[in-house]
Amino acid sequence: QVQLQESGPGLVKPSGTLSLTCAVSGGFISSGNWWSWLRQPPGKGLEWIGEIYLSGSTNYSPSLKSRVTMSVDKSKNQFSLKLTSVTAADTAVYYCARDGVATYDYWGQGTLVTVSS
Amino acid sequence: IVMTQSPDSLAVSLGERATINCKSSQSILHSSNNKNYLGWYQQTPGQPPKLLISWASTRESGVPDRFSGSGSGTDFTLTISSLQAEDVAVYYCHQYYSSPRTFGQGTTVEIK
Repeated sequence: QVQLQESGPGLVKPSGTLSLTCAVSGGFISSGNWWSWLRQPPGKGLEWIGEIYLSGSTNYSPSLKSRVTMSVDKSKNQFSLKLTSVTAADTAVYYCARDGVATYDYWGQGTLVTVSS
Repeated sequence: IVMTQSPDSLAVSLGERATINCKSSQSILHSSNNKNYLGWYQQTPGQPPKLLISWASTRESGVPDRFSGSGSGTDFTLTISSLQAEDVAVYYCHQYYSSPRTFGQGTTVEIK
């Protein structure tokens, strides 16, 4: 059973950089899947941030592209998200997920990141 | 692709049918394999979304058969045939036909 676990600071200052890591267990990041980040502002719907493949290939949401960077670390079986120049609008629960045969089949539990001074 | 769900919320009596509609702004039926790139998720408070249905009508392993999906092209439906207390949740439709992946705004299902 694949499990994903997000980690990172729960509080980021405005104009700062949000950095999160997703550790994959029960499976390998080299399994041929794409790995994604999504977010959900409190009380709102789901937003796709972007995805990364083991090779380092990425696709980002057009609305966030200028601020997002994703990376993958095969040796640690994990992948990461960096979002720069954050504002209060970036406050959300951030999820990592595996893109399976169809779509996102395994998700992390999510981590709340609050942007506040 | 914009995904629009209706209604935003609905209250259904236990044992009764619940129906949620989802409309995509363009067709998500892929001509190469005749598959609709549409999934349905269930989300309960404090939990990540759970994939219930993929390819518009294929139930994921372990999902009760009271959940069913239908539709093609731009119009889709999720039906809960006999609502149970544990089905109280927010339901999202989701297209994976093209990037960026998008979700509907969600439909809250409650007990009447």
